[in-house]
Amino acid sequence: GESVGLHLPTLSVQEGDNSIINCAYSNSASDYFIWYKQESGKGPQFIIDIRSNMDKRQGQRVTVLLNKTVKHLSLQIAATQPGDSAVYFCAETHTNAGKSTFGDGTTLTVKP
Amino acid sequence: EAGVTQFPSHSVIEKGQTVTLRCDPISGHDNLYWYRRVMGKEIKFLLHFVKESKQDESGMPNNRFLAERTGGTYSTLKVQPAELEDSGVYFCASSPGGEQFFGPGTRLTVL
Repeated sequence: GESVGLHLPTLSVQEGDNSIINCAYSNSASDYFIWYKQESGKGPQFIIDIRSNMDKRQGQRVTVLLNKTVKHLSLQIAATQPGDSAVYFCAETHTNAGKSTFGDGTTLTVKP
Repeated sequence: EAGVTQFPSHSVIEKGQTVTLRCDPISGHDNLYWYRRVMGKEIKFLLHFVKESKQDESGMPNNRFLAERTGGTYSTLKVQPAELEDSGVYFCASSPGGEQFFGPGTRLTVL
């Protein structure tokens, strides 16, 4: 079946360092990918998205890279801050299907 | 603008009881989704409404789960009878098309 998987369940970084969170997906027909941030007691919050016709997209302190050849997605957070500590999920969505398929999540801990 | 709201935030019930979760989407959003995260695993899709119609209910685990969206506004998800494995966090999301906006979730504990 379809699945979107993350390579590491946890990641610990020093404040100010850059963070890279990885995700592998299995459905080559996927055309839209999203990264979400979930803080304790809250629902997933949209961070950044990318469509399959792109390989890189940048936001404020975040960059998403898409490698369709190996079906790999990554989220880069520059100058990681304590407020970035959360669980990060990648998700794949078919434009016409609507529903999102999520990976397991990576818990990012930022050490001061 | 108010976001997606869910009620209750927490629910603790005994096996065999019934629980009803409610989701109020962002006003004007035709699309409403239910997801759940069980035992810290991935967030799994349950079903998708477009207005009052069920567009996709392929993720509903079994017939103990019943979702409704009468009038195409708020939605309810009823679990009857609840089992231990139903414990988890149930998320609702709404969308005008494209980006989905998630509610804070309902944490369900079945004892």
